[in-house]
Amino acid sequence: SQTIHQWPATLVQPVGSPLSLECTVEGTSNPNLYWYRQAAGRGLQLLFYSVGIGQISSEVPQNLSASRPQDRQFILSSKKLLLSDSGFYLCAWTVPYPNTEAFFGQGTRLTVV
Amino acid sequence: KNEVEQSPQNLTAQEGEFITINCSYSVGISALHWLQQHPGGGIVSLFMLSSGKKKHGRLIATINIQEKHSSLHITASHPRDSAVYICAVKGQGAQKLVFGQGTRLTINP
Repeated sequence: SQTIHQWPATLVQPVGSPLSLECTVEGTSNPNLYWYRQAAGRGLQLLFYSVGIGQISSEVPQNLSASRPQDRQFILSSKKLLLSDSGFYLCAWTVPYPNTEAFFGQGTRLTVV
Repeated sequence: KNEVEQSPQNLTAQEGEFITINCSYSVGISALHWLQQHPGGGIVSLFMLSSGKKKHGRLIATINIQEKHSSLHITASHPRDSAVYICAVKGQGAQKLVFGQGTRLTINP
């Protein structure tokens, strides 16, 4: 079956510390992978998406980066966290067009203190 | 103007009431998703629609492709339905999902 794993569920990190959030999918190959962020009281905003290994598209300039070292692994990173990086981070994947299915991780609530 | 607009942004109702949440979008789509986000943040996929209507328990989702509009209905609402409901669309030929701002639903006992 098709599943998505995202961890950790919650994270508290000090300002200036590094970040690594990992997302892995099972039950498919060559998925499109996404990282979204939801700031407090706002909707989900696309940060990065990837259509293949090593292929990363960035939607908004920010303090974060993404990597896809394996087909079903998507990592969100930061070298030095800012207070403004606090939020809810969601990993998602879709099967490439024309398929329309989408699957969502449980999300990671990051608090930068 | 956002590609996906939801209304209302906030909705408070009494237990048992019939609930409607609306989603309008401005692009041609291949699919529309309705999601439920609980207070802890976890997201559950409720429906994926490309046409017509789907029903699951007390939840009903409809879509009108010509009018670029979808609705999520909850019958006999219950306090456990309290959550944020999010509409997301995948454009025709597009790789990514675009999310609405969400509708915060509170059902009071």
